[in-house]
Amino acid sequence: GAVVSQHPSWVICKSGTSVKIECRSLDFQATTMFWYRQFPKQSLMLMATSNEGSKATYEQGVEKDKFLINHASLTLSTLTVTSAHPEDSSFYICSASGPGQGMFMEQYFGPGTRLTVT
Amino acid sequence: SQKIEQNSEALNIQEGKTATLTCNYTNYSPAYLQWYRQDPGRGPVFLLLIRENEKEKRKERLKVTFDTTLKQSLFHITASQPADSATYLCALYYSSASKIIFGSGTRLSIRP
Repeated sequence: GAVVSQHPSWVICKSGTSVKIECRSLDFQATTMFWYRQFPKQSLMLMATSNEGSKATYEQGVEKDKFLINHASLTLSTLTVTSAHPEDSSFYICSASGPGQGMFMEQYFGPGTRLTVT
Repeated sequence: SQKIEQNSEALNIQEGKTATLTCNYTNYSPAYLQWYRQDPGRGPVFLLLIRENEKEKRKERLKVTFDTTLKQSLFHITASQPADSATYLCALYYSSASKIIFGSGTRLSIRP
């Protein structure tokens, strides 16, 4: 149980275009979902936290107008990278916590999405 | 600001030995500390969580200790196997700020 999927697993886009990444909890209701980015050989950096039906909370330094997060249901959250630039190229990973769990406790991570902006 | 250091970027040990990974932090102790395994090109997988008032946790061949005086957590894998080769991340959760911080990880290689 506790499976989280992401789609697509990798994407290449041209500079200036927008890309949407989906994160789904397949067998549980995710009251909270998190979005991270990870550069090679670096740690995961939390970008934002989203709760179903409410606006996402962004970490300091993360542009909310550039990284649009929507958590429309208890099983789906989306991250849209708008007007992508080469420096946005990274590994984006989502995670989810189920109901009854404290924030960040035993997060279930998706497999990640490799974004390359040319 | 809080800093997390994981002992080394890479650790190579012989199969069957115990692997010990270190996670050190500065300043404040977290409410709890987690260890994750991450394989290349994949998301992390949760392994163990230890709270600030706990000294040790075990799960099968895994053991985690937490010393708030030393500001350190040790992660042990006993009877290591080549399949244990992966990057291991520690993550610290600070309840006052509702914030989680990940270390950069230690890449563990177990040679047959």
